[in-house]
Amino acid sequence: NAGVMQNPRHLVRRRGQEARLRCSPMKGHSHVYWYRQLPEEGLKFMVYLQKENIIDESGMPKERFSAEFPKEGPSILRIQQVVRGDSAAYFCASSPGTPRGRQYFGPGTRLTVT
Amino acid sequence: ELKVEQNPLFLSMQEGKNYTIYCNYSTTSDRLYWYRQDPGKSLESLFVLLSNGAVKQEGRLMASLDTKARLSTLHITAAVHDLSATYFCAVGEDMRFGAGTRLTVKP
Repeated sequence: NAGVMQNPRHLVRRRGQEARLRCSPMKGHSHVYWYRQLPEEGLKFMVYLQKENIIDESGMPKERFSAEFPKEGPSILRIQQVVRGDSAAYFCASSPGTPRGRQYFGPGTRLTVT
Repeated sequence: ELKVEQNPLFLSMQEGKNYTIYCNYSTTSDRLYWYRQDPGKSLESLFVLLSNGAVKQEGRLMASLDTKARLSTLHITAAVHDLSATYFCAVGEDMRFGAGTRLTVKP
């Protein structure tokens, strides 16, 4: 049973470009969570999704950030018009049917904005 | 809003010594998680604590939860270098994370 997969593992974007981060949850998991970790800091919750639904996006910045978890395919975290402050590690986690149950983390995508 | 505080934020200890990391949180919650993160790596789940008085042990680490005091502890016994990492607690359904405790175990 493969774990949570994220790609790319490293992503470099210039200011103003778009960043797309992908997350495939563990097999059988229908809940996906995105977190951001700034250097030397803890994780900050961004968004919680189930298939085709955003359940909680209270941690998402109001502008430029969006997330989806389509019926087929991975969850996508999209950052438009990236700025230097978006440089961080973005972790995806998934959990099985129980809402907000124990979460299993992916390896993360390290985004660098130049 | 739920606030989660860990202390200490930095901990340097010698091999063989014991120490405790604390996780305090501000509102009632019935679940708490401990994770380990090595530099540049993802998070590894250590413990899930789901009830008042829960105690779990794995190797040199033992975690406990007191929901009335809104406090969890992660106790390290006879530390070894391999335990050097950052340890996070996360509280509640919202998985609100503490800032982490960066542990360094020195020979």
